[in-house]
Amino acid sequence: NAGVMQNPRHLVRRRGQEARLRCSPMKGHSHVYWYRQLPEEGLKFMVYLQKENIIDESGMPKERFSAEFPKEGPSILRIQQVVRGDSAAYFCASSPLANYDLHKTQYFGPGTRLTVL
Amino acid sequence: DQQVKQNSPSLSVQEGRISILNCDYTNSMFDYFLWYKKYPAEGPTFLISISSIKDKNEDGRFTVFLNKSAKHLSLHIVPSQPGDSAVYFCAASYSIQGAQKLVFGQGTRLTINP
Repeated sequence: NAGVMQNPRHLVRRRGQEARLRCSPMKGHSHVYWYRQLPEEGLKFMVYLQKENIIDESGMPKERFSAEFPKEGPSILRIQQVVRGDSAAYFCASSPLANYDLHKTQYFGPGTRLTVL
Repeated sequence: DQQVKQNSPSLSVQEGRISILNCDYTNSMFDYFLWYKKYPAEGPTFLISISSIKDKNEDGRFTVFLNKSAKHLSLHIVPSQPGDSAVYFCAASYSIQGAQKLVFGQGTRLTINP
């Protein structure tokens, strides 16, 4: 049973370009979360999605950032017109549908390290 | 506003001894707590969790203690092994509109010395 998959693992962009980060949740998981980790900091929640629905995007910057989780295919975190401050590690996590204690655990992918030159 | 705090950025422990990592939180709405371990260039790996209705959960060498009145949780690793050297994050969780939101501490870098 494959874990959470993210690609690419490393992404380099110049200022003003677009960055697309992909996340495939664990098999059987229908909840996807995106987090961002800046250097020497903890992970910060960005957005929570279910298939075809954004449930909570309260942690997402209002401009340039968007996320989707289509019916088919991976979840995508899209950053338009990247700036140097977007350089960070972006982690995706997934969890199953059920909401009892055992399934409150989120399982993380290996992350995408975005570097903006 | 740091709702989850790990006040020790680093901890060094002798192999075979007990490692104790601490975490404090401020939000009474948190109902589930987790510890993750993270190696460089990898994603966080789930270690152990505890519900707010419990005060202790044990899994092998790892035990998590929760003191709700003090809003404090701790992770005990015994005996500590060199492979335990990593950054440990505590996370607190609450449900809102069907979402289980995790709030992470800043992490504690644990080094196990042979």
